[in-house]
Amino acid sequence: AIRMTQSPSSLSASTGDRVTITCRASQGISSYLAWYQQKPGKAPKLLIYAASTLQSGVPSRFSGSGSGTDFTLTISCLQSEDFATYYCQQYYSYPRYTFGQGTKLEIK
Amino acid sequence: QVQLVESGGGLVKPGGSLRLSCAASGFTFSDYYMSWIRQAPGKGLEWVSYISSSGSTIYYADSVKGRFTISRDNAKNSLYLQMNSLRAEDTAVYYCARRAAAVGPGHLDVWGKGTTVTVSS
Repeated sequence: AIRMTQSPSSLSASTGDRVTITCRASQGISSYLAWYQQKPGKAPKLLIYAASTLQSGVPSRFSGSGSGTDFTLTISCLQSEDFATYYCQQYYSYPRYTFGQGTKLEIK
Repeated sequence: QVQLVESGGGLVKPGGSLRLSCAASGFTFSDYYMSWIRQAPGKGLEWVSYISSSGSTIYYADSVKGRFTISRDNAKNSLYLQMNSLRAEDTAVYYCARRAAAVGPGHLDVWGKGTTVTVSS
């Protein structure tokens, strides 16, 4: 199975900061990578797919990059509503999706 | 609007059974492949099962194979997960999710709010 490893596992930041979360796949997955945001007690919400394509309705401060094994999610100017847990997901081995362990973004 | 609504969760004893349902609305359900994803308390996301749009192709995670059965009724716009021989480690929030329309591999673009399954004596 393809393993997805996110770093860091947690991150403290302030509103207005620029933050980057990294996701590494255990083997090449081309650009078959998605990013999700999850708030406590809520379902995951799709932010980005195909590594860098912004889902409709998602603010442009979110961006994604990478291909192969290394990927990043960047939030350019943190807003209060962005404090949440973020997951990467590979769908190269679809339908056997695997997710990263999550990155919890907290207010400093 | 596009919506998925899960139901059927609850408290069940180890070895027991539950049937989860997911009602779809706002899109042509029969056109989409669907999955169940679960999340144990305080843990990350784990893919559980997948079914093609017609129901002819099905996959399971090794952790549930032989115990869980996925199915769908396109006439009722509904997805199901029959869970048998439940274990404490099956305790989780169960989400149904839609695979985005795509040729080849596709991400999950719509998720339900989830239903909670607790396996405990």
